[in-house]
Amino acid sequence: GAGVSQTPSNKVTEKGKYVELRCDPISGHTALYWYRQSLGQGPEFLIYFQGTGAADDSGLPNDRFFAVRPEGSVSTLKIQRTERGDSAVYLCASSSGQPNTEAFFGQGTRLTVV
Amino acid sequence: AQSVTQLDSQVPVFEEAPVELRCNYSSSVSVYLFWYVQYPNQGLQLLLKYLSGSTLVESINGFEAEFNKSQTSFHLRKPSVHISDTAEYFCAVSGGATNKLIFGTGTLLAVQP
Repeated sequence: GAGVSQTPSNKVTEKGKYVELRCDPISGHTALYWYRQSLGQGPEFLIYFQGTGAADDSGLPNDRFFAVRPEGSVSTLKIQRTERGDSAVYLCASSSGQPNTEAFFGQGTRLTVV
Repeated sequence: AQSVTQLDSQVPVFEEAPVELRCNYSSSVSVYLFWYVQYPNQGLQLLLKYLSGSTLVESINGFEAEFNKSQTSFHLRKPSVHISDTAEYFCAVSGGATNKLIFGTGTLLAVQP
C-alpha cells in the first residue's frame, strides 16, 4: 500500500475485555515496530519485528500484551484483560530494515478502555 | 540506556519570528538523532535526521538542527516560522541493532498571527 495502515482508527472497549489492533506495513518493509503514546507523552517503544520474529519485545509492559506477525507482513497487537491505564494511541511503524533508514508511521489506533 | 529530554512542552511564537526547540539526549553508545513532526490529526512524519558527517542537517521546509556532541544536544531551529508550522515536534534517538526510537515528550509549537 501507499503507507502504513492501522485499523481500527478508534476502539472503545470495556475494562477486562480483549482487543486486537492491526497494522498493515508498507509493502516490502521487513521491519515493523509498535509504539504506545499516552496523553502528553512521546511514543514509547513496545516491540520490534524483523520479518516474522520479534527481535526485541523489551517494551511490552506486561504479559497481557502480545504481538504477532505470522507471515512477515501484517501484524496484530493483542491486549488481554484490558485496564483503564491501557488507554492510549497505539502507533505502528515500518522500515526497509536497513540500518538507520526512515521509519514510516501509521496514524495510530486510539484505544479507550472504559 | 538512552533517553531524550525536551524541556519545553509548549513554545508560543508569532508568525515570521525565529524559533528554537530544545533537545538533549543521553546515551552510552553512538547515536543517531531525529526530529519528527505531528501535524493536527496526522501521523508522525520524519522532519530531519543526523546519522554521520556534517553536524548541521536541514529539512526541505526551512528547519535545521545541529548535532552538538559535547553538549549532547540536537536543537531544532527555524529563522522564520509560518502558521502552517503549528504542530507537535518530537526529538528521538536510536542506536544499536534494532533501530528502535526513543522519543522525548514533545514540544507543541504554536504559531500565532
